Amino acid sequence: AQKVTQAQTEISVVEKEDVTLDCVYETRDTTYYLFWYKQPPSGELVFLIRRNSFDEQNEISGRYSWNFQKSTSSFNFTITASQVVDSAVYFCALNEGGSEKLVFGKGMKLTVNP
Amino acid sequence: AAGVIQSPRHLIKEKRETATLKCYPIPRHDTVYWYQQGPGQDPQFLISFYEKMQSDKGSIPDRFSAQQFSDYHSELNMSSLELGDSALYFCASSPVRQGGTEAFFGQGTRLTVV
Repeated sequence: AQKVTQAQTEISVVEKEDVTLDCVYETRDTTYYLFWYKQPPSGELVFLIRRNSFDEQNEISGRYSWNFQKSTSSFNFTITASQVVDSAVYFCALNEGGSEKLVFGKGMKLTVNP
Repeated sequence: AAGVIQSPRHLIKEKRETATLKCYPIPRHDTVYWYQQGPGQDPQFLISFYEKMQSDKGSIPDRFSAQQFSDYHSELNMSSLELGDSALYFCASSPVRQGGTEAFFGQGTRLTVV
């Protein structure tokens, strides 16, 4: 069965701090995809990043970076130099290759204070 | 760029009434997904369509039905509404039907059942 666990439920930081959001996943598939979505107070779900199970290369995109480690089934997401506009609920999600649905974690609410 | 359009944005219905939610995918996207997000919860997959055929099904109540039309827009019909159906309903679309494809979400329809 597929499952996504976001152990942190809420984090509060001060602007310019770096913050890492943890995500641990479970799947029996060898082909799967991992995502991070952001849900600001306005409610929409915004796609941030995607990684497939065959590519463990970690990357940086602007202020975002991610650390994908299959050995620990983790897909952590870091925001560098956080800004107030980063305040949102962040969801980690898993898609198994043979399925169309996304399975989301419970979400982590990030508050960035000025 | 065109995004996924959902209507209405807000809907208030009474118990036992019927509601219809509409979704207009991004042009040339042939796959549509519906998700339900209860208050403070993560989005839960309901159902998906590819080329006007149901392609996957999640935890969608029997009181709900959905379809995708020839112009690729989709409608989620909800009957005998219950208080517990109050939620944010997201539609998403993607350009291809395969795992790992980035799904673009609409802004959601907030349904309140009173």
